[in-house]
Amino acid sequence: AQSVTQLDSHVSVSEGTPVLLRCNYSSSYSPSLFWYVQHPNKGLQLLLKYTSAATLVKGINGFEAEFKKSETSFHLTKPSAHMSDAAEYFCVVSLSFTGTASKLTFGTGTRLQVTL
Amino acid sequence: DVKVTQSSRYLVKRTGEKVFLECVQDMDHENMFWYRQDPGLGLRLIYFSYDVKMKEKGDIPEGYSVSREKKERFSLILESASTNQTSMYLCASSRTGLAGTYKYFGPGTRLTVL
Repeated sequence: AQSVTQLDSHVSVSEGTPVLLRCNYSSSYSPSLFWYVQHPNKGLQLLLKYTSAATLVKGINGFEAEFKKSETSFHLTKPSAHMSDAAEYFCVVSLSFTGTASKLTFGTGTRLQVTL
Repeated sequence: DVKVTQSSRYLVKRTGEKVFLECVQDMDHENMFWYRQDPGLGLRLIYFSYDVKMKEKGDIPEGYSVSREKKERFSLILESASTNQTSMYLCASSRTGLAGTYKYFGPGTRLTVL
């Protein structure tokens, strides 16, 4: 079984300050982990992914996430928030099953608000 | 670029109507998925298909069926729409194997059932 918990439903930061979106996962096997971003009225876009290579993963738009097995965490960070970062962010865990289609399990989402 | 398109961005239907949501992908992906997205619940998998005419239930298949007659097209069917099926529906596609862990999503269809 696999699950993912996003610890904050809403996060508000000022423009130019660091962003931290927290995610903890549970998985019986070595998982693949993702962060997706969804801007208002737009589809889901992949931000970054971890698939058992380097534990620090760099994504688009200056975001990065660190896989910490001992803490079962995959928190998303960015050194300096921009107004365009305001969106909903989903942490996702994936196991491949049946050898074909993999099953994604989504967190409930964190809405990031960026203020001036 | 991979493109996943959904036939409608917004739909309004009445209770009891039969509803078809269409999804088309242009990258020859083997796998296609239907999710629904509800506030506070994230995305939940309804059905998926890993080949033409093949389908498997996801986490919440009740009240839905699917059809995959061609590789590029995956349809979600609500046989008799109910108000609790008001939601955002997202289609996704992916390749088979490790590459298939990453899915490409369509823009979504916001369905309202009155």
